[in-house]
Amino acid sequence: GESVGLHLPTLSVQEGDNSIINCAYSNSASDYFIWYKQESGKGPQFIIDIRSNMDKRQGQRVTVLLNKTVKHLSLQIAATQPGDSAVYFCAESGNTPLVFGKGTRLSVIA
Amino acid sequence: EAGVAQSPRYKIIEKRQSVAFWCNPISGHATLYWYQQILGQGPKLLIQFQNNGVVDDSQLPKDRFSAERLKGVDSTLKIQPAKLEDSAVYLCASSHLPKQFFGPGTRLTVL
Repeated sequence: GESVGLHLPTLSVQEGDNSIINCAYSNSASDYFIWYKQESGKGPQFIIDIRSNMDKRQGQRVTVLLNKTVKHLSLQIAATQPGDSAVYFCAESGNTPLVFGKGTRLSVIA
Repeated sequence: EAGVAQSPRYKIIEKRQSVAFWCNPISGHATLYWYQQILGQGPKLLIQFQNNGVVDDSQLPKDRFSAERLKGVDSTLKIQPAKLEDSAVYLCASSHLPKQFFGPGTRLTVL
């Protein structure tokens, strides 16, 4: 079935470096994508979203890139900090409830 | 702005017992969701409400799970009877479409 997935289950980066978290989706009808950050013991926290009529959107220290040709979504975190350590989920929607991937665990090495 | 509130935060029960979770969404959010998150996985939608009506409950195990949203504000999710595989975090979210905002979740352990 169609689903949202992630290329890497874990990612370790040095503090201060940039992080790139990838996500592949297979539902070509999806027109809305969202990234969440989930820290241990907490609910998912909204980071940034993007609609399919855009290919890039920037927030504070974060950028989401959408490549509809290859159905790929990425989250870039600039100057990664220890507080960025968490599990990151992408989710997609196309007039349907959000479908979440399994997540990527980001570990920041001080 | 207050976030989504959930209680209890933790619950331990034995299999075949009943349990109920409560959610208070962000004020003004008409849409409310209940998700189940098994360890190591992303959240899976159980049920979606629009005001006090059910929009989608296709993935709710209706033989044991029930949910209601009386008056279109607070919601409760009940499991009766619980099974071992129900051990998970139960997340409530509300939305001002399309963004969803999540509560802290209730961690359920079924022994």
